[in-house]
Amino acid sequence: GENVEQHPSTLSVQEGDSAVIKCTYSDSASNYFPWYKQELGKGPQLIIDIRSNVGEKKDQRIAVTLNKTAKHFSLHITETQPEDSAVYFCAASFFQGAQKLVFGQGTRLTINP
Amino acid sequence: DAGVIQSPRHEVTEMGQEVTLRCKPISGHNSLFWYRQTMMRGLELLIYFNNNVPIDDSGMPEDRFSAKMPNASFSTLKIQPSEPRDSAVYFCASSGYTSTDTQYFGPGTRLTVL
Repeated sequence: GENVEQHPSTLSVQEGDSAVIKCTYSDSASNYFPWYKQELGKGPQLIIDIRSNVGEKKDQRIAVTLNKTAKHFSLHITETQPEDSAVYFCAASFFQGAQKLVFGQGTRLTINP
Repeated sequence: DAGVIQSPRHEVTEMGQEVTLRCKPISGHNSLFWYRQTMMRGLELLIYFNNNVPIDDSGMPEDRFSAKMPNASFSTLKIQPSEPRDSAVYFCASSGYTSTDTQYFGPGTRLTVL
């Protein structure tokens, strides 16, 4: 089955700097790659996603890149702010009766003021 | 839109007791997912439904776990009997039918089994 590896597990950056989180997946049939942000005591919330026919997508300070050949995708956050501190999860999806998401282990991002 | 609703938000029970977690998906969504989150194992998919029919329950850890979806607006996850190792946060999520529809998560139920 699908396996998603996420790195690093923890990341600490200075406010205003950029943060990059990387994920690799195993199943070439995966065609949808969402990123979720989870704040303490809350459920994961989608922040950006990318589909397999697109190489890059940007939404304000957040961007995601996808390399289907290498089977990896990355989240880039620029001009980081204290409210970006959270746990971030990548996921890979394939369709098996319904959309089935396999999540990475998560990255705890801390923004230091 | 109220989003995915889960109840209770917190549950503390003793080993051996039956626990029932509840979920109301977003109206119009036809896929529903139950996840478990622990520090050791991260986010694990337990079971998912499409149009109220269970599609894949291979993630359900043991026969002590069961899930139902009697109609499009309600699902339950039951643990009977509960054990301390079941302590975790359980999330329900819902989405549309296509392979690229966003999954929306509920706030979760934090279960503690003493």
